[in-house]
Amino acid sequence: AQSVAQPEDQVNVAEGNPLTVKCTYSVSGNPYLFWYVQYPNRGLQFLLKYITGDNLVKGSYGFEAEFNKSQTSFHLKKPSALVSDSALYFCAVRDMRTGGFKTIFGAGTRLFVKA
Amino acid sequence: DSGVTQTPKHLITATGQRVTLRCSPRSGDLSVYWYQQSLDQGLQFLIQYYNGEERAKGNILERFSAQQFPDLHSELNLSSLELGDSALYFCASSPIPAQISGANVLTFGAGSRLTVL
Repeated sequence: AQSVAQPEDQVNVAEGNPLTVKCTYSVSGNPYLFWYVQYPNRGLQFLLKYITGDNLVKGSYGFEAEFNKSQTSFHLKKPSALVSDSALYFCAVRDMRTGGFKTIFGAGTRLFVKA
Repeated sequence: DSGVTQTPKHLITATGQRVTLRCSPRSGDLSVYWYQQSLDQGLQFLIQYYNGEERAKGNILERFSAQQFPDLHSELNLSSLELGDSALYFCASSPIPAQISGANVLTFGAGSRLTVL
């Protein structure tokens, strides 16, 4: 069965410092991987996705993520955090070998960026 | 504004009651997905529709039902409500279902917050 894990409930980082939000996945086939962000009182917004090709994927708002097949990870990164990046981040996976119709979301990681 | 419209934004009701949540997908999107977000369960997939037909079911209770109408809007019906049904209910849409294009991205509405007292 497909699953996705976000091992940290919360990540704290100072403004200007690099940030990493971790995600690992488990699928039986090739994964399609996504990151979404949720700001307070808002729905989830798409940040970036990995389907195939270059392992480093660039997305919105300066975020990027690195796909690592051997470690089954898809960590979200940003070189320099902003206070406005504070939000809830969700990693998601689709297992295309089993049909891919379900997007399974991780539990979410709350990012706090301090000024 | 994502283009996905959900009503009502907030709803407070009592146990045993029935409510209907409504979703209008983004213009041009044919597929609608319903998710439930609660503190202890995270974001749970409930059900998916494409062009009026049910395409996938997740962890949806028998007390819940949904449908997608010819104009593509969707309704999620929650009946015999229990305290544990209190949650944020999100609707998302995509141009075509993930069954056809796994790379497609979901566009989420702002959610309907249901409180059952």
